[in-house]
Amino acid sequence: QKEVEQDPGPLSVPEGAIVSLNCTYSNSAFQYFMWYRQYSRKGPELLMYTYSSGNKEDGRFTAQVDKSSKYISLFIRDSQPSDSATYLCALGPSNTGKLIFGQGTTLQVKP
Amino acid sequence: DTAVSQTPKYLVTQMGNDKSIKCEQNLGHDTMYWYKQDSKKFLKIMFSYNNKELIINETVPNRFSPKSPDKAHLNLHINSLELGDSAVYFCASSRSAVLNYGYTFGSGTRLTVV
Repeated sequence: QKEVEQDPGPLSVPEGAIVSLNCTYSNSAFQYFMWYRQYSRKGPELLMYTYSSGNKEDGRFTAQVDKSSKYISLFIRDSQPSDSATYLCALGPSNTGKLIFGQGTTLQVKP
Repeated sequence: DTAVSQTPKYLVTQMGNDKSIKCEQNLGHDTMYWYKQDSKKFLKIMFSYNNKELIINETVPNRFSPKSPDKAHLNLHINSLELGDSAVYFCASSRSAVLNYGYTFGSGTRLTVV
């Protein structure tokens, strides 16, 4: 079993839809939960960062962490064609630099 | 001004050759990483240096040797290249080895071994 599981998709939605992206994990030591966005032929860029449990909102993006279920989510409201990218969850244990990435979900938002 | 820059962006080479990839960051970060992304987009850590000291060394063939001459630079040398080494290699940096701020990635080096 992989430490982090993420459905690779692809996920195709119409413009304006609410998008839900998810990851599950098995290591209860994870304390840092992040979402990266990767456009084609580019490096991943940090989109959202959460420490421990709870919700975090930034504009159209909301990240949720449920440590009891070992489940993290990223919601995108009013999705735009410019949101079309691969979204990778990344998790880490405390006090080390090692991030474990999910496989990434490819999202396409159609105009 | 690019924060994390990698050279070259593309590298096509024959099996058995030796090649190097260079990475530089101008963010003043203490920690740098090499990640490998395969054709299925899996990102897997290879190495990490904190202030020129190797702190993470995953199960990577000995043909891969990182070097950090100073905390702003991290290079990757690969000996005797194999077909399976074809991938995108990303350099990244972070303020410290503690994950308070996440990583800043470079734009990647696409290595193709023929």
